Amino acid sequence: AQRVTQPEKLLSVFKGAPVELKCNYSYSGSPELFWYVQYSRQRLQLLLRHISRESIKGFTADLNKGETSFHLKKPFAQEEDSAMYYCALSGRGYSTLTFGKGTMLLVSP
Amino acid sequence: GAVVSQHPSRVICKSGTSVKIECRSLDFQATTMFWYRQFPKQSLMLMATSNEGSKATYEQGVEKDKFLINHASLTLSTLTVTSAHPEDSSFYICSARDPGTNTGELFFGEGSRLTVL
Repeated sequence: AQRVTQPEKLLSVFKGAPVELKCNYSYSGSPELFWYVQYSRQRLQLLLRHISRESIKGFTADLNKGETSFHLKKPFAQEEDSAMYYCALSGRGYSTLTFGKGTMLLVSP
Repeated sequence: GAVVSQHPSRVICKSGTSVKIECRSLDFQATTMFWYRQFPKQSLMLMATSNEGSKATYEQGVEKDKFLINHASLTLSTLTVTSAHPEDSSFYICSARDPGTNTGELFFGEGSRLTVL
């Protein structure tokens, strides 16, 4: 069974502070990991995926197979980063996507 | 990117009635669509996988007769909540992958908020 754990429901930081949203997963094979974001009153959208190793809006995430983690990081948070962030896992072949419970990020001025 | 559209975005109905929610892929064909349910301040829970031209695959604990899914064409899947009750009130979201991208990215609809009185 595949499982995604996001231990923090809410993360509140000040503008300019570093941010790390934690994600741990459980999967027996080689997973595909994603971060999705939902801004207020908008639909869920892809932020980044581990396979592309890209940085989107200053966010990065590294897959650590030893720790089974895929934490999302940004060195300097901005107010517009305030949103709900979901870590998600898919098995090989892009089967069904399993979501974590999400972490609400609030960035205060 | 690809666009998935849902209709209606909000619906209010009386207990015991049935409600149909449509999910369309606007600029791509989707042989598979996914239906999720989201409770307030909780994660998305996969309800079922809709397969074009065949029966949907339901997740454990999801009542097939309660949540009827039909995927009649490559661009349309419908979710019908039959004999709705207040506990069915929720946010229903559909999603699909664009086979042309081959990235695994899911494109989400805007969601449909169902309120059963």
